[in-house]
Amino acid sequence: EPEVTQTPSHQVTQMGQEVILRCVPISNHLYFYWYRQILGQKVEFLVSFYNNEISEKSEIFDDQFSVERPDGSNFTLKIRSTKLEDSAMYFCASSSQGYEAFFGQGTRLTVV
Amino acid sequence: DQQVKQNSPSLSVQEGRISILNCDYTNSMFDYFLWYKKYPAEGPTFLISISSIKDKNEDGRFTVFLNKSAKHLSLHIVPSQPGDSAVYFCAASEEGNKLVFGAGTILRVKS
Repeated sequence: EPEVTQTPSHQVTQMGQEVILRCVPISNHLYFYWYRQILGQKVEFLVSFYNNEISEKSEIFDDQFSVERPDGSNFTLKIRSTKLEDSAMYFCASSSQGYEAFFGQGTRLTVV
Repeated sequence: DQQVKQNSPSLSVQEGRISILNCDYTNSMFDYFLWYKKYPAEGPTFLISISSIKDKNEDGRFTVFLNKSAKHLSLHIVPSQPGDSAVYFCAASEEGNKLVFGAGTILRVKS
């Protein structure tokens, strides 16, 4: 069964460092998303991406964040200068028509 | 942001019985609703969805009911199995845009 894959599964980084979280969406999907879940909190939307551009972003997705689809298969989230409060599980998701989204296993980001 | 609420943090059910998970929403523009199941340290797994033009959708042991006038939906699992023990998230979207999640309900199915 097709699935969304994310790498790495766990990333530890120093505050102020840049991190890139990687995702391979389901191959025939057109809509791509990043969500995150801070420990003990809700899953919250970060950004959606369609037709090679950002279609929507939340207030969390400030200038420190960027997304890219560098080739036909990968979808990345970059955090330029990480803060302690960026520590969370980051989930990539994809959808064929923009309704049911299928999530990856997540990347646990720990900023120390 | 409390647009989607799951007021029961946890639910405990005996194996074989029905599990009913509830969800309320406030945004009348939501037109698509989904339930996800999540195990610790894993991503949410899509379970079942319903469009606002329907009031019921069934898939095997899972049925979702939507009451638009009450802005309420529920997920019924019958019969419940120990493997159903997980966190269940209700989510809603407007015209297929971003998902807004509830806080989740921990379901424990006792054998």
